[in-house]
Amino acid sequence: AQKVTQAQTEISVVEKEDVTLDCVYETRDTTYYLFWYKQPPSGELVFLIRRNSFDEQNEISGRYSWNFQKSTSSFNFTITASQVVDSAVYFCAHVTGTYKYIFGTGTRLKVLA
Amino acid sequence: EAQVTQNPRYLITVTGKKLTVTCSQNMNHEYMSWYRQDPGLGLRQIYYSMNVEVTDKGDVPEGYKVSRKEKRNFPLILESPSPNQTSLYFCASSLGSRGSYEQYFGPGTRLTVT
Repeated sequence: AQKVTQAQTEISVVEKEDVTLDCVYETRDTTYYLFWYKQPPSGELVFLIRRNSFDEQNEISGRYSWNFQKSTSSFNFTITASQVVDSAVYFCAHVTGTYKYIFGTGTRLKVLA
Repeated sequence: EAQVTQNPRYLITVTGKKLTVTCSQNMNHEYMSWYRQDPGLGLRQIYYSMNVEVTDKGDVPEGYKVSRKEKRNFPLILESPSPNQTSLYFCASSLGSRGSYEQYFGPGTRLTVT
């Protein structure tokens, strides 16, 4: 079955700490996409990154980095030097060619000043 | 401005009174989808549409209907709402097979059924 697991329900860190949000997925397919979305307290959903199953290169964008490992079916998200503005719920998601999107249950990140 | 719009943003209704939540996108996207967000459950897909007149069920379609008569619009219909459909609803669109599948979301509709 297709499934996305975000085992961390809530994480609290102090500003400037690094934090990693875990995402583990299950899929039968060889071709798929993985995503991270951010939902700040205002409620909108913001796309952060996409990875396809053939591209295992890690990616860095400013303070954000993503580690995709097919061997462990994981797509983890690290925020370096966290800031209060990073406080949000973060969702990991998966889609295959069937167009059915599966989201994880989300990780609420609280960054304390 | 490229966007997905939803209306209404907030709605309080009573059990059994039919309602429609509209969704429109101006990005010429093929793919559109509806989700509900509930505490502890994340986002769950209700229905999706790969193109005009092509729709399919997601994980939680019971009690909902959709239609896709035009590319830009994808309304969500609750024929007989019940309290367990109280939720936050999001519409989303993406390029689908012509792109890389990342979705762009509307602002959400908070529905309360009493």
